[in-house]
Amino acid sequence: SQTIHQWPATLVQPVGSPLSLECTVEGTSNPNLYWYRQAAGRGLQLLFYSVGIGQISSEVPQNLSASRPQDRQFILSSKKLLLSDSGFYLCAWSGGGSGANVLTFGAGSRLTVL
Amino acid sequence: GDSVTQMEGPVTLSEEAFLTINCTYTATGYPSLFWYVQYPGEGLQLLLKATKADDKGSNKGFEATYRKETTSFHLEKGSVQVSDSAVYFCALRRQGAQKLVFGQGTRLTINP
Repeated sequence: SQTIHQWPATLVQPVGSPLSLECTVEGTSNPNLYWYRQAAGRGLQLLFYSVGIGQISSEVPQNLSASRPQDRQFILSSKKLLLSDSGFYLCAWSGGGSGANVLTFGAGSRLTVL
Repeated sequence: GDSVTQMEGPVTLSEEAFLTINCTYTATGYPSLFWYVQYPGEGLQLLLKATKADDKGSNKGFEATYRKETTSFHLEKGSVQVSDSAVYFCALRRQGAQKLVFGQGTRLTINP
C-alpha cells in the first residue's frame, strides 16, 4: 500500500534562517506531488505541485521554492524565512490522469518562525 | 478562476444533532467535488467525493449530493458524535486539471 512521510513534524526557526521540509512517497510510481500551506485560521493554499522529476509549478510568488530530485521525493525550501512563513505545511500525492482526483496527505509539518 | 466557498465557522452542535455544512463552487465544465476532514494535529483525509451531477457521496454517516443547478455540494449528517469534531474542507478538481482547489475550511465542535 502507498504511504506518505513528511519531516520534520515540528520546526521552530528564527527569521532569516533557511528551511528544508521533506516529503517522500512509498508504494507508487510517478505520483503527482503537492505542497499546501495552512496558515492559522485560514484555509489551504496550494504552493507548488509537480507531475514529474524536475517539473515544478508554482502557484504563489513568495520566498519559498520546491524541488523534486527523485520520483517520490518532494522538498520545500527557503533561503531566508519570514515571520509570515509560519504555518502548517502539508505534502500530498495523487495518481496521474483520473487518479489525480484524490489527494492523499501526509501528517503535516508545523513551522513556527520567531 | 475556480473557487470554493464554505459556510463560516466555527460550528458548535450537541451530540445527535443534525449537521449541514454548506459548500458552493465556481468552475467551468463539470468538476469533481470532494469533502476532506482534518482531525486535530493531523493531515487531511478524504471523507467522500462525487464526480458528476446528481451523484451522492457518502461515508461514515456523512452525505453530500452534487447539485449542478445550484453549484453546491453541502455536507450533511443525521446524528453527529463527539468524534466528528474536526475541520471540514470542501474541494473541487476541474476536469483535466492536476490540482485541487480547497475552501477555507469549517471547524466543527460537537459537545456531549
